[in-house]
Formats: sequence, C-alpha cells, structure tokens
Amino acid sequence: ETGVTQTPRHLVMGMTNKKSLKCEQHLGHNAMYWYKQSAKKPLELMFVYNFKEQTENNSVPSRFSPECPNSSHLFLHLHTLQPEDSALYLCASSQGSSGGGHGELFFGEGSRLTVL
Amino acid sequence: SQQGEEDPQALSIQEGENATMNCSYKTSINNLQWYRQNSGRGLVHLILIRSNEREKHSGRLRVTLDTSKKSSSLLITASRAADTASYFCATAYNTNAGKSTFGDGTTLTVKP
Repeated sequence: ETGVTQTPRHLVMGMTNKKSLKCEQHLGHNAMYWYKQSAKKPLELMFVYNFKEQTENNSVPSRFSPECPNSSHLFLHLHTLQPEDSALYLCASSQGSSGGGHGELFFGEGSRLTVL
Repeated sequence: SQQGEEDPQALSIQEGENATMNCSYKTSINNLQWYRQNSGRGLVHLILIRSNEREKHSGRLRVTLDTSKKSSSLLITASRAADTASYFCATAYNTNAGKSTFGDGTTLTVKP
C-alpha cells in the first residue's frame, strides 16, 4: 500500500466511449502526475499538477483530458481513444520541499486500459 | 535526451548471488532515482541519489553515482526470489524528482 489509490484497475473501452480514470493520494503531497507505460517503451510523463495547477503537458493528445479538483484527487478523462492508447496508466504523487524541489514519486498500482 | 538507459536489459541469477544493474544518461542531472516494479504493479521508489553524492545504501541495496561518466549502478546483495522485478533508473535535471525521465528498465529474475 503506497498511499496512492487508482481506480479502476482494469478498463476495456471502445474507440467511441468516454471513460475516466481516478487517482487519490492519502499522503498529503502537493504534486500529482499521470504517466503512461506502454509495452516496449519507457515510462512517459503525461501531465504534472502542482497545488491543483497544471504545470506540464507533455504534448499529450487532446483525447486525454486531466482534471485536478484538489491536491488529493486527479482524474484522466478519456474520449475517442485509439487502440495504440492501450497501456498501463500510472498516477503518482510527490512532496515539494521548502527549496522548491520535489522528492521521489509514490505510484499507484495503475489502471490497465485496453482500447478495442 | 537525458533518458537513462539500463544495462543489462535482462538478468537472471540464483538466490543468494549479487545483482548489479547499470544506468547511463546523457546530460547533467540534479538527482537520479531507482525504482522497482513487480509485474503488472506500480513502481516503488528504492533510492534517490543527488549529483553531489557518490554512494548510498539502503538495506541490501547499494547505489553509486559517477557524474564524470554519467552513470549509476544498483547493487542488490544476497538476492532473494522476491527481488524478481523490473528495475528502472530515473534522471531529473532539476530539483523536481517527479519530472524525471525513465529508462527502459532491467528485468531481474532470481531463481530459488
């Protein structure tokens, strides 16, 4: 138990569906992240939120829409996805320091997404 | 790209042996982290080493960092079957370790 909970753990959706992934962290951290892990590829950073504000969007297609209503919750809204979007989507959080840096990442167990 | 590259891609050893994994990167970094991932699970942070540090220990884990060679190594001593997992290095060019770039990982298999 890392203190970061992701739901659902598994999701199968068609290309015309709309679904959402949810992440909740119980660690009191002030930054949250979405990462994508595809087979045969390194982990890719998608979005970064710091104190609820999006601070990074790594050229992610608009069919992925993040939402961060507060420092503890992060969503990834999915619509009109492609089969190549099938991957493990990992949420993580970290704690900022007084010097402005952030410490190591605490990951959730991931949401395994399959797009048919 | 500052992406770390792990070597070897796969490693298979017997229980009780030591396992060494290496990570090389291209640009100057602020810190480097090692993570473990069991199959189908999330990543678990193991050790963070800053650019002004040369070696860190945590239990059976030892991490070294050579900034002149832009490389790091992770040593797991007296390995156990439970150490079977993928191991990733992640490099951060600033103080935000959360915005690190991950390598492809080393898959370690420890045979009982």
